[in-house]
Amino acid sequence: AQSVTQLGSHVSVSEGALVLLRCNYSSSVPPYLFWYVQYPNQGLQLLLKYTSAATLVKGINGFEAEFKKSETSFHLTKPSAHMSDAAEYFCAVSEEGYSTLTFGKGTMLLVSP
Amino acid sequence: GAGVSQSPSNKVTEKGKDVELRCDPISGHTALYWYRQRLGQGLEFLIYFQGNSAPDKSGLPSDRFSAERTGESVSTLTIQRTQQEDSAVYLCASNPGWGSDTEAFFGQGTRLTVV
Repeated sequence: AQSVTQLGSHVSVSEGALVLLRCNYSSSVPPYLFWYVQYPNQGLQLLLKYTSAATLVKGINGFEAEFKKSETSFHLTKPSAHMSDAAEYFCAVSEEGYSTLTFGKGTMLLVSP
Repeated sequence: GAGVSQSPSNKVTEKGKDVELRCDPISGHTALYWYRQRLGQGLEFLIYFQGNSAPDKSGLPSDRFSAERTGESVSTLTIQRTQQEDSAVYLCASNPGWGSDTEAFFGQGTRLTVV
């Protein structure tokens, strides 16, 4: 069975600081991994996804994530936070041959000036 | 339409009443999912439709919950005899259904409040 753990329900950073949101997964087969973002009062939208090509994946708005099989991790980073990055971020996993996405509990990113 | 559409956007109902939530997926998307998002929780999988295959209902929390889908179009999620713990945002998503590495597109959700 697949599962996702996101460490930290809330992460606070200053504008311009590094953003690091952690995600660890459990999967019995090679996974597909996703990061979604949810802005206040909006639906979820895809930031980036890993589908067994390059292990370093670049997404929208300057975010990127690195797939590390040995650590079963897919942490999300951004070199310099912007106020507009304040949102809730969800990591998700699916497995080849089955399309259901399993989500983590989410991490709320707070950006202060 | 351009995206996944859900209605109503907000629903307040009395405990014990039945409610019906609607989802219009993106045209041509064969896969459709329902998720529940409780306050402070992640997205909880409820049910998955893929084309004409039997739906995966493994996430439905009780027999008060049911969902239907007409072909590859509209889906309705029905909650009977609502309870306060059913209060949550119900999210619908669709994708082309070509494989599990394809992006799921989400609607903006229906916020259900049971009083």
